[in-house]
Amino acid sequence: ETGVTQSPTHLIKTRGQQVTLRCSSQSGHNTVSWYQQALGQGPQFIFQYYREEENGRGNFPPRFSGLQFPNYSSELNVNALELDDSALYLCASSLEARGADTQYFGPGTRLTVL
Amino acid sequence: KQEVTQIPAALSVPEGENLVLNCSFTDSAIYNLQWFRQDPGKGLTSLLLIQSSQREQTSGRLNASLDKSSGRSTLYIAASQPGDSATYLCAVEMTTDSWGKLQFGAGTQVVVTP
Repeated sequence: ETGVTQSPTHLIKTRGQQVTLRCSSQSGHNTVSWYQQALGQGPQFIFQYYREEENGRGNFPPRFSGLQFPNYSSELNVNALELDDSALYLCASSLEARGADTQYFGPGTRLTVL
Repeated sequence: KQEVTQIPAALSVPEGENLVLNCSFTDSAIYNLQWFRQDPGKGLTSLLLIQSSQREQTSGRLNASLDKSSGRSTLYIAASQPGDSATYLCAVEMTTDSWGKLQFGAGTQVVVTP
């Protein structure tokens, strides 16, 4: 049990809609990263937040956005959903931005876009 | 551009055999390398983290080696058990990135038969 939780567990949306996924990090962890994992693939880095500021971004369009709050919770928002957005979305928290510290992953949110 | 490859994509062994999982990467400028375990539809559990200055890490039946110069890491699991059945992913963090972004391989799916 890592202490990182995500909600909801599963979600079904239609193309063009907007979705908000939530993550609750381990207490004291200043960094949260979000990943997208398509079926049969490894996770792909979306972005990272450190102390409520975006700290880096992968190759994802601006319709993927995020927020991090002082209470160690965070959100991933996706606008104008496309079929290819169907995936498992994982958040990971760690003490600091650099990976000398292990990242702890949540169980993920399975998003299906129809 | 870093590419992380895991071969084979799938592996089936009888209980009691030793498991050898391979991970290769094209750019040796890594900060660290991690091995993760993922159960079906679930999040990732960190197994071992090897810093770039280290050659190996051990935890119980697990041993991971790192050869930066040849761009390879190997995860050994001794005396496999049915409970070891899962997908194993390796991930690297690059020194050239200014944040703790992990780049993953696609994973090796392992089945240990009783």
